[in-house]
Amino acid sequence: RKEVEQDPGPFNVPEGATVAFNCTYSNSASQSFFWYRQDCRKEPKLLMSVYSSGNEDGRFTAQLNRASQYISLLIRDSKLSDSATYLCVVLRGDKLIFGTGTRLQVFP
Amino acid sequence: DGGITQSPKYLFRKEGQNVTLSCEQNLNHDAMYWYRQDPGQGLRLIYYSQIVNDFQKGDIAEGYSVSREKKESFPLTVTSAQKNPTAFYLCASSGSLNQPQHFGDGTRLSIL
Repeated sequence: RKEVEQDPGPFNVPEGATVAFNCTYSNSASQSFFWYRQDCRKEPKLLMSVYSSGNEDGRFTAQLNRASQYISLLIRDSKLSDSATYLCVVLRGDKLIFGTGTRLQVFP
Repeated sequence: DGGITQSPKYLFRKEGQNVTLSCEQNLNHDAMYWYRQDPGQGLRLIYYSQIVNDFQKGDIAEGYSVSREKKESFPLTVTSAQKNPTAFYLCASSGSLNQPQHFGDGTRLSIL
């Protein structure tokens, strides 16, 4: 079993839709959590950190459920430019553990 | 502008050849990392360094070597012992080990 698991998708949604991704992690000692965005053939870029109380940044909302060991990312009012792969990332000890990503495709 | 610079963008390796990938950062970050990404797989950690003159093996260090002689620089050498070097190599840095990492734009390595 992978330490960080994501549904690879793709999620195909129309512009303006709301879409949510989940990610599960297996190691309860994981300390910090992040969502990164990666465009095709580009480097990952930090989208947002995930805090225990949940946090929002514009159209993006991240939540953490430590009891169930999952993290979620909600994107409201999807834009064409949101099309990318979203990586769930967990900090365990001194290492970041990356999920394989969920691909999102927003169509007109 | 502050950032992480990787070079070259594309690199080709011949059989039996060692090649070195460059990574430079001007963010004054202490920690630097090298990852490898293969199609359909998550990033895998090759080596990381918390401070100058110190580095640790990641999950897939075999066939690779690094040095950290300067805070700004963390070059990765892909040796001839790495039998499957074709991949997208990403360098990252962070202020410390428990902070989010920021990535360079990567080097694509292929075998001739």
